[in-house]
Amino acid sequence: DQQVKQNSPSLSVQEGRISILNCDYTNSMFDYFLWYKKYPAEGPTFLISISSIKDKNEDGRFTVFLNKSAKHLSLHIVPSQPGDSAVYFCAASSSGAQKLVFGQGTRLTINP
Amino acid sequence: NAGVTQTPKFQVLKTGQSMTLQCAQDMNHEYMSWYRQDPGMGLRLIHYSVGAGITDQGEVPNGYNVSRSTTEDFPLRLLSAAPSQTSVYFCASSLLFQGTGNTIYFGEGSWLTVV
Repeated sequence: DQQVKQNSPSLSVQEGRISILNCDYTNSMFDYFLWYKKYPAEGPTFLISISSIKDKNEDGRFTVFLNKSAKHLSLHIVPSQPGDSAVYFCAASSSGAQKLVFGQGTRLTINP
Repeated sequence: NAGVTQTPKFQVLKTGQSMTLQCAQDMNHEYMSWYRQDPGMGLRLIHYSVGAGITDQGEVPNGYNVSRSTTEDFPLRLLSAAPSQTSVYFCASSLLFQGTGNTIYFGEGSWLTVV
């Protein structure tokens, strides 16, 4: 039972354009959402997060949008750069539950 | 800062052998966890701990044991390795999740092959 789903295994975007990565969740108790970025042969690194009391959080080129009614979040990267090529994981947790549940990941490739 | 340190980085085991993956953190984090990453499956939680002496199971605990005798260390033991345990293992730590959650920090991973 996959509580956090990333339905696109891969995404290819031209350099300078917008990259949009999507994530859906099924557990309505989730109230904190994160995006992690992972390069090959390295551990995942934190990118950006959002609390369920917000619908948008922005950090430089990265913006996360949360649609609670649709149980959907997305990560926007603009403009996309070659260094953004990596696997992106979305993750979710609920208050009081000391667990972080991850999606399957989306491999983003930025083409020059 | 060392952050989260995992050893070994690479290991090949024969079916039935046992081994321990070591994890240490120097950030005084109460929360520590082990994940495994498999193609198409993302990161799945094996076991986690919210403090010394306290551990609990995650999504895929079978075949693995953990203990937490100190705040700093959280070893993962494979009791009798099976080919299905071939994976990349990540240790992670954070402060305890409070209210709106928290960011967890990952080690660099341990690549395990069971033949």
